[in-house]
Amino acid sequence: EPEVTQTPSHQVTQMGQEVILRCVPISNHLYFYWYRQILGQKVEFLVSFYNNEISEKSEIFDDQFSVERPDGSNFTLKIRSTKLEDSAMYFCASSDRTDTGNQPQHFGDGTRLSIL
Amino acid sequence: AQSVAQPEDQVNVAEGNPLTVKCTYSVSGNPYLFWYVQYPNRGLQFLLKYITGDNLVKGSYGFEAEFNKSQTSFHLKKPSALVSDSALYFCAVRDLDNNAGNMLTFGGGTRLMVKP
Repeated sequence: EPEVTQTPSHQVTQMGQEVILRCVPISNHLYFYWYRQILGQKVEFLVSFYNNEISEKSEIFDDQFSVERPDGSNFTLKIRSTKLEDSAMYFCASSDRTDTGNQPQHFGDGTRLSIL
Repeated sequence: AQSVAQPEDQVNVAEGNPLTVKCTYSVSGNPYLFWYVQYPNRGLQFLLKYITGDNLVKGSYGFEAEFNKSQTSFHLKKPSALVSDSALYFCAVRDLDNNAGNMLTFGGGTRLMVKP
């Protein structure tokens, strides 16, 4: 069964540094998402992406965050200047056509981001 | 705004016994409801969804969930638990009618422990 793959599995970064988290969505999917889960807390929506642009974003997704689909397969999340509170597990997800919103989102295994 | 509550942090059940993991939701429109399971060091794995139709939906690994509109609940059930069902379970909702886009709102998760 096709999977969403994320790299790296664990990223350790100094506070203030830029970090890029990478995802390869399922190949025929059209919608892409990033979520995060701070340790011990809920999974929180960050952003969704469709047709090469952001379709919606949460209040967490401020100017420090950006997403990009640089080629036909990768989907990246960039944090420009990391803060301690950015430490979390970041999940990428993708879904098929969702004109009725009922296609499930398929998640990767996540990248654990640790900010020192 | 949409929200999900999972009132139990942990559910303990003996192998072979039926299990229930509770979920209640709040949306202003019609809900799309999902259950995901997370095994250690893995991403969220889709189990089942409710869109419309029969209130009892069946999903992967023998799990099922019952949609109850009057109680705004979507409890996850399985007639006979296995030790391998031990994992973290997340309920999620999307409010189609409230222009909430494709974002999923997750509950806090319930850890299911199945003992031999």
